[in-house]
Amino acid sequence: QQPVQSPQAVILREGEDAVINCSSSKALYSVHWYRQKHGEAPVFLMILLKGGEQKGHDKISASFNEKKQQSSLYLTASQLSYSGTYFCGTGRPYGNNRLAFGKGNQVVVIP
Amino acid sequence: NAGVTQTPKFRILKIGQSMTLQCTQDMNHNYMYWYRQDPGMGLKLIYYSVGAGITDKGEVPNGYNVSRSTTEDFPLRLELAAPSQTSVYFCASTPHPGSNQPQHFGDGTRLSIL
Repeated sequence: QQPVQSPQAVILREGEDAVINCSSSKALYSVHWYRQKHGEAPVFLMILLKGGEQKGHDKISASFNEKKQQSSLYLTASQLSYSGTYFCGTGRPYGNNRLAFGKGNQVVVIP
Repeated sequence: NAGVTQTPKFRILKIGQSMTLQCTQDMNHNYMYWYRQDPGMGLKLIYYSVGAGITDKGEVPNGYNVSRSTTEDFPLRLELAAPSQTSVYFCASTPHPGSNQPQHFGDGTRLSIL
């Protein structure tokens, strides 16, 4: 089941904060976050596992809300390099690490 | 560190032609995946493999075939190319099946079928 990512697109100025979400209709076990720049491959950011642990990558952090079946990615003090499309992939405990990817959140950071 | 290498990077095919997209990884990863990415649609799993000699279908396997004769290589074959297969194809790998393992992606193959 494909997770739903929202909002579809975000435009923010350098230094501003943003939150993007990844919601699943099924119970979450793991959530992977990747960032893809135009014409390039997706690049791994972080993985969150069931348990509500928050993780960080530079000034990008993420949370895992088991009750809401949702993960949120927080872009803090955004930099121009944060521009790209962010994909979440949800995994199952015995799924051979198969991930169901959402359609992505497009983030544009302007000077 | 080469990681996951895909060839070719670009290809234009005519309807009905066949071709093989190559994927090689040098990380000794057991698990490998093929995805297609259409504009605005995210990544859809075509096929995956859990080790040499073992492959299985993903969400969108129709029109494709795979083989895995070695740990390193996981080629994807299109037998009768159709316009609906115009897409960007990504190969990925991961060391073993735990859900705490990131997937490492190749740079992709951009395929147009006319």
